[in-house]
Parts: sequence; C-alpha cells; structure tokens
Amino acid sequence: DADVTQTPRNRITKTGKRIMLECSQTKGHDRMYWYRQDPGLGLRLIYYSFDVKDINKGEISDGYSVSRQAQAKFSLSLESAIPNQTALYFCATSVNRNYGYTFGSGTRLTVV
Amino acid sequence: QQQVKQSPQSLIVQKGGISIINCAYENTAFDYFPWYQQFPGKGPALLIAIRPDVSEKKEGRFTISFNKSAKQFSLHIMDSQPGDSATYFCAASINDYKLSFGAGTTVTVRA
Repeated sequence: DADVTQTPRNRITKTGKRIMLECSQTKGHDRMYWYRQDPGLGLRLIYYSFDVKDINKGEISDGYSVSRQAQAKFSLSLESAIPNQTALYFCATSVNRNYGYTFGSGTRLTVV
Repeated sequence: QQQVKQSPQSLIVQKGGISIINCAYENTAFDYFPWYQQFPGKGPALLIAIRPDVSEKKEGRFTISFNKSAKQFSLHIMDSQPGDSATYFCAASINDYKLSFGAGTTVTVRA
C-alpha cells in the first residue's frame, strides 16, 4: 500500500456540485497538506494541518474547505465546484521540512 | 503572487549535458530551500535541500548553488541522463513552516 493514498484518482464533475477528495496516510505524520498543481503555476497551498485540532488556510483557500477526521485522514471539499477549479490536487504529509514531504499520486479533477 | 520565481519553464538537454534551473526569492526570512522532482503520474519527491549558511551542496550528480546576497539559488544536473527527465520544483520556507513552491521546470533529456 502507498504511504499516502488519494481517492479518487480521477473525477469529472459538473459546475455547482459538491465534491470531496480524500487522503489517508500510513506514515504516522502529524502534518498534512493539500496543494493544487496547475501548468505554469506550480504547486499552490490550499490548506494545511499540523495536528488533528489545527487547520490553517493556505494561499488559495477560497471555495475550498477541509476536514481532519483523524491523524491519518485529511479530506478536501469543493462546496460548489466551478470550472477554474479544474486541476491536479495533491495531498502530502511531513514530520518536518528536513525529511521532506511525502506526496500522494494526486487526484485529477475536471469541472465541466 | 508566487514567492519563489523559477526559470526556465522547460529545457531540453542532450544526454551527458548539464541542466541548470534557476530560482529567485524576495523574502529574506526564508531559511530552507529544497528541490523536488516529479515524474509523470506521480507526486513530487524531495531531491536535495540547502540552508542559506551554505553556498553549495552536492548529492551525486545534483548540486544546489546558493547566492544569499543575490537571493538566488539554482539546481545543476551534471551528466544528465534520460531517467532525469521530470519536472523540477524549487521551494522555500521559514522556520519549518509551510513550503512555497516555484512554478516548475520540465526537463527533457534526449538520448
């Protein structure tokens, strides 16, 4: 099993729909992150959590929400999906920056 | 607005050549500068990192050069191999806080 598992891997949804992307990890790390990747823009931070009771907004949190259900689970929700939220979404975990982030394989989301 | 500016967006190099990717930043509070490597269909993975008290760090064929006064740092891939074909991201952070990534550089190594 992968250290960081994201589901689904691919999703097509319609404008206005609510959608949840899920992330689970077996690393035992406290820190978890959600990034989106867009061509030419790199990786931009949406939300991050340093423990179960700690949730913080990143650079581009508008239109998104998160839930940290347990140390191992961190889900990202799009309350009302819009086409410019079409992107590749990554979940990541870390102990601290020195050991690097462990990324999942990503969820490719298309909003039509 | 990205806090770390990365260039070029893409580059092509012949096998055995040198790939050079540059990054620049403005925030002098940044104290940790990693590079991540991403293969198609995969998430990024830590490649090499440097702190501003060091001007160069080498791991195998990968070298980071750091110029604190110019607020720039670069990744050199020596003797580039086809297996190095990937997207590379520079990043920066402050006090073990969240990472800010550059826009990425797609490197293609031609055999």
